[in-house]
Amino acid sequence: GAGVSQSPSNKVTEKGKDVELRCDPISGHTALYWYRQSLGQGLEFLIYFQGNSAPDKSGLPSDRFSAERTGGSVSTLTIQRTQQEDSAVYLCASSLGRDRAFFGQGTRLTVV
Amino acid sequence: RKEVEQDPGPFNVPEGATVAFNCTYSNSASQSFFWYRQDCRKEPKLLMSVYSSGNEDGRFTAQLNRASQYISLLIRDSKLSDSATYLCVVRDSGNTPLVFGKGTRLSVIA
Repeated sequence: GAGVSQSPSNKVTEKGKDVELRCDPISGHTALYWYRQSLGQGLEFLIYFQGNSAPDKSGLPSDRFSAERTGGSVSTLTIQRTQQEDSAVYLCASSLGRDRAFFGQGTRLTVV
Repeated sequence: RKEVEQDPGPFNVPEGATVAFNCTYSNSASQSFFWYRQDCRKEPKLLMSVYSSGNEDGRFTAQLNRASQYISLLIRDSKLSDSATYLCVVRDSGNTPLVFGKGTRLSVIA
């Protein structure tokens, strides 16, 4: 498809386990964003990739969170040693430079 | 990180009403402005970009006031299907991420 694709759509994991969330941006989009949204809350910025520039990691809440973007395309967000407060919907978006951004449908993460 | 502020609402309006939302942003150097719409348990979707001269898309009108650093969204002739959370989004200058407001919830009532 032509949109942003995220996988898995739902993930239930035990506290303390590591999880990987994947984002396939729209082809050709140079910018990729990760946000998370807890129930009833606004979007919380996590990390931003723009072309070959160093990523803006200022939103990552702790060193348990990391993300990479390989080949300027697919991105993986990794959460190590998950905690219950990590439960949220993780949203990925992509854009062409500074143009409008398009979101994937998100990964709903539940840590039990 | 610079802030984007919105009235959380909820705004409860009858069908056919006109409703307006405002949003303020803190960085005077911000360059790009958008309104997104988010339905319950769905991802945000772009409603419209906001241009300096103001712009209209059907029943929706967006305005930008750089001097006062606020953005507005006007919805005319509200429909039940307009019920959603409306997110104000700002991008600062340079290669910076989008900054989202927490959203304003709108309920259009029959």
